[in-house]
Amino acid sequence: AQKITQTQPGMFVQEKEAVTLDCTYDTSDPSYGLFWYKQPSSGEMIFLIYQGSYDQQNATEGRYSLNFQKARKSANLVISASQLGDSAMYFCAMRELSTGANNLFFGTGTRLTVIP
Amino acid sequence: NAGVMQNPRHLVRRRGQEARLRCSPMKGHSHVYWYRQLPEEGLKFMVYLQKENIIDESGMPKERFSAEFPKEGPSILRIQQVVRGDSAAYFCASSLLSGGSKRDTQYFGPGTRLTVL
Repeated sequence: AQKITQTQPGMFVQEKEAVTLDCTYDTSDPSYGLFWYKQPSSGEMIFLIYQGSYDQQNATEGRYSLNFQKARKSANLVISASQLGDSAMYFCAMRELSTGANNLFFGTGTRLTVIP
Repeated sequence: NAGVMQNPRHLVRRRGQEARLRCSPMKGHSHVYWYRQLPEEGLKFMVYLQKENIIDESGMPKERFSAEFPKEGPSILRIQQVVRGDSAAYFCASSLLSGGSKRDTQYFGPGTRLTVL
């Protein structure tokens, strides 16, 4: 089974509008971390935001916020006030802590296009 | 720039040649990870190393691939006798600590795009 599922291959948003990118995860580990990365056309992977499984509040970093619904195992990324520079691939990733594994599991990504 | 450095950014090899990819972690980071990204896919974990030790190589192909992180110098991902299927982007990441907390966030380098002719 996929550990990270991103069901939206592509999304469009009007400039200055907000957009939500979906991510669901599958783990039996009670302790884990969730990460979002941005990959612009230049190819680098840029860390955006982190959510821990025991964090009581949803994470926020500037225009990025994470809608964390633990019972639903979802960790959707919300980008507010979209800018043209937000056009990129966005990857959701998870790291399981209790298993001792150190790697990140990535989803297949969502390509976001911001329309002027 | 104290970020993760990778070189070369682009590498072209003919089938059967060797590819060497280098990664210098962020200053102060002693945990290094290698991932591979095939076109239109997410990143797949290959190997996790600390200085002079391979901690987890569960994602590494059993043959032709090897990785090291010596006491001095960058981490090296080595692919021997490359085949067309090895064409991909190879990313290195580093972290300060190893775990699932925010402090253990993996920061990525710009990647090396390997093309096998």
